[in-house]
Amino acid sequence: QLQLRESGPGLVKPSETLSLTCTVSGGSISSSSYYWGWIRQPPGKGLEWIGSIYYSGSTYYNASLKSRVTISVDTSKNQFSLKLSSVTAADTAVYYCARRIFGNYYLDYWGQGTLVTVSS
Amino acid sequence: QSVLTQPPSVSAAPGQKVTISCSGSSSNIGNNYVSWYQQLPGTAPKLLIYENNKRPSGIPDRFSGSKSGTSATLGITGLQTGDEADYYCGTWDSSLSGGLVFGGGTKVTVL
Repeated sequence: QLQLRESGPGLVKPSETLSLTCTVSGGSISSSSYYWGWIRQPPGKGLEWIGSIYYSGSTYYNASLKSRVTISVDTSKNQFSLKLSSVTAADTAVYYCARRIFGNYYLDYWGQGTLVTVSS
Repeated sequence: QSVLTQPPSVSAAPGQKVTISCSGSSSNIGNNYVSWYQQLPGTAPKLLIYENNKRPSGIPDRFSGSKSGTSATLGITGLQTGDEADYYCGTWDSSLSGGLVFGGGTKVTVL
């Protein structure tokens, strides 16, 4: 059974860089059938797509976050990562990693999510 | 402000039916498949419907999806207390600033 698990600091200071890693188990991140992505959810609010990456390193980003986001993949560790720079309180959210089917746009497996708070 | 528009809440008694609408445009719903997600309190979203009307393995047929033009609908029949959750629609937006987009979510309350 495929599992995704987010990890990283739960507290980040304003203006610093948020860094999270998603570890995939029960399947290979190098499969040509999937994209891997990040989605966030501010407390009490809806879902916001951050971006996606293919095992080859090809990326798609949300235009509103593109200048601050970097998503990378490490196939040797079966992991992919998110970096969000110059964070503010508005970036406080639960961050989820998820799998997307190549050629389609639905997310069929999700991690449990991790809360990241931006505060000094 | 979400790209896709959903009603904030719907409610019905146990055993009844509810429908949740999701309205978009030609750059998203009008030309791409729609998916639906269920988010139970304190948990991650779970795929409920994909490609407009298909259910993943393990999702009961009480849940159904449909699409017409630039709108989509999720239906839940035989409402149960365990269905109380937030429901989100999602699709791809093909505009210049596009990407994966979601509705603002609909809270389903079982009276």
